[in-house]
Amino acid sequence: GAGVSQSPRYKVAKRGQDVALRCDPISGHVSLFWYQQALGQGPEFLTYFQNEAQLDKSGLPSDRFFAERPEGSVSTLKIQRTQQEDSAVYLCASSLGVAVEYTGELFFGEGSRLTVL
Amino acid sequence: AQSVTQLDSQVPVFEEAPVELRCNYSSSVSVYLFWYVQYPNQGLQLLLKYLSGSTLVKGINGFEAEFNKSQTSFHLRKPSVHISDTAEYFCAVISISNFGNEKLTFGTGTRLTIIP
Repeated sequence: GAGVSQSPRYKVAKRGQDVALRCDPISGHVSLFWYQQALGQGPEFLTYFQNEAQLDKSGLPSDRFFAERPEGSVSTLKIQRTQQEDSAVYLCASSLGVAVEYTGELFFGEGSRLTVL
Repeated sequence: AQSVTQLDSQVPVFEEAPVELRCNYSSSVSVYLFWYVQYPNQGLQLLLKYLSGSTLVKGINGFEAEFNKSQTSFHLRKPSVHISDTAEYFCAVISISNFGNEKLTFGTGTRLTIIP
């Protein structure tokens, strides 16, 4: 597609359920990022992939959070045993290159809004 | 580590009036600076960026920003706003020492509301 696509757009989960959020980046984009945006806050970095390699996962809040990008394109963010504090919009972004000199631009999807009851 | 401060969480402005959204950053190394805009129910979109060169940067929709290294600021301005500018605006920074791992650090955002 023309842009970054995320699914589902909205997800309601009961506390303790596992959820999986999908991101389809722009075709050919090497870098992929996941961000978490709580209500009224700016996006917070979660993790970063360069092709299939997860180079930085320093932002993942706990070991309940897991991300993968097995073939270097589609990525999945999985949250196990969801808690109420996991409620947020999860944003995926991709970029063409691996060096910031390219354009410095990340292309964001519309996000997946997770509500944990 | 770098950080971004957007002091104004909400800015109401009358239509056709000028606006300035403030952004200050903190970093021990050189930085790249960005403004992203988030319209209601849409994803983040790049408004403008400063990578190098002229400190006055022009972006889409008539917005511009000026990089001021001595004041560690990157304020966003528009001389005359329109109703369609109603959105959330985020300032963001990449530290150049993170070359090859270019994660953005965002501010908390400024909600710009245009009053007819």
